[in-house]
Amino acid sequence: QQQVKQSPQSLIVQKGGISIINCAYENTAFDYFPWYQQFPGKGPALLIAIRPDVSEKKEGRFTISFNKSAKQFSLHIMDSQPGDSATYFCAASANFGNEKLTFGTGTRLTIIP
Amino acid sequence: GAGVSQSPSNKVTEKGKDVELRCDPISGHTALYWYRQSLGQGLEFLIYFQGNSAPDKSGLPSDRFSAERTGGSVSTLTIQRTQQEDSAVYLCASSLVGRIYNEQFFGPGTRLTVL
Repeated sequence: QQQVKQSPQSLIVQKGGISIINCAYENTAFDYFPWYQQFPGKGPALLIAIRPDVSEKKEGRFTISFNKSAKQFSLHIMDSQPGDSATYFCAASANFGNEKLTFGTGTRLTIIP
Repeated sequence: GAGVSQSPSNKVTEKGKDVELRCDPISGHTALYWYRQSLGQGLEFLIYFQGNSAPDKSGLPSDRFSAERTGGSVSTLTIQRTQQEDSAVYLCASSLVGRIYNEQFFGPGTRLTVL
């Protein structure tokens, strides 16, 4: 029940295209859903996060869509750039994010020119 | 200000040896987490410290793993009698507590290789 499932495992997108990564969760106690971006040799860094009382959050080229009834959320990267090439992890936490994060298995995104 | 720091950045050890990994959280952050990232895997929770509360050790994979946090700041993760399956990147994160939706800030990790 603690699992967060993430797909696809890898994704190749042309520069300027839209990258979409999907996640699903089971634990209804989760109330905080962040996305982390990780570059090789670095620790993950928070990209964007959403609460379950909103269906969408947008920050620049990055948008989270959240479907509470389906227990799914997704990351959309608009106008994808080569600098976006990284591994992306979705995650979930309970208690308003004041507990451990349960991570998806990650998506390796490659943006080709 | 300074972020979360971890040392060493790389550690190579022989099977059966003990290792200690260190984490210096962001100053003022009362919550500290350890996660493990195995090759091709996501991040797996290990242990969580919050203030003076008893730590949440529910993610520790075996009794060979232990961690402590001294003075509410620096934390050390100890792995005794290391095994090859312990090879992974060990990540530390810290956050504020008491506000909602606190971001966890991650360190660069310690890459552990057990030969």
